[in-house]
Amino acid sequence: AQSVTQPDIHITVSEGASLELRCNYSYGATPYLFWYVQSPGQGLQLLLKYFSGDTLVQGIKGFEAEFKRSQSSFNLRKPSVHWSDAAEYFCAVGARRGSTLGRLYFGRGTQLTVWP
Amino acid sequence: EAGVAQSPRYKIIEKRQSVAFWCNPISGHATLYWYQQILGQGPKLLIQFQNNGVVDDSQLPKDRFSAERLKGVDSTLKIQPAKLEDSAVYLCASSHGRQNPGPGIYEQYFGPGTRLTVT
Repeated sequence: AQSVTQPDIHITVSEGASLELRCNYSYGATPYLFWYVQSPGQGLQLLLKYFSGDTLVQGIKGFEAEFKRSQSSFNLRKPSVHWSDAAEYFCAVGARRGSTLGRLYFGRGTQLTVWP
Repeated sequence: EAGVAQSPRYKIIEKRQSVAFWCNPISGHATLYWYQQILGQGPKLLIQFQNNGVVDDSQLPKDRFSAERLKGVDSTLKIQPAKLEDSAVYLCASSHGRQNPGPGIYEQYFGPGTRLTVT
């Protein structure tokens, strides 16, 4: 069965500290992996994605993620967190369906709080 | 380019009433998705359209939920009658596929959502 696990419901870091958000997935087919960010009252914004190739992918806002097939993980990292990064972060997995992208399976999210 | 548009942004109804949500995807995007996001959870797909045909509605509660995309552009999601457990944010997303290769292929772009409260 397809599923995404984000083991940390809430993470608090100080501004300027490094950040790592964990994501583990279970997916039968070749996974397409995504990280989204959601601010209060807003929709989901794509931070980065992995389809194939280099397992370290760079995204917007200084975020990066590393795909580790052996661990079924796709952890999100940022070397120095800014106060504006406070939001909820969702990991998602999906696959191509014909000529388009099929349904995404989302984790339950990790709420990030940034202390000044 | 303009993003995914949704309306209304907020809706409060009583249980057993009906409600409808509207979504206009990004121009040229053939695929449209409706997700339900219950508080404290990640979004869950309700239905996926490819042009005006249904690709995946396996998680849609068909006894009360319906959706249509008649001209292959905008879409309406309806709930009738609503239950308390339908309180959630309803997110619309769109995507373009292999027919339109380029940046953003195989990505889903989300609208701001409609927050529904059923009392």
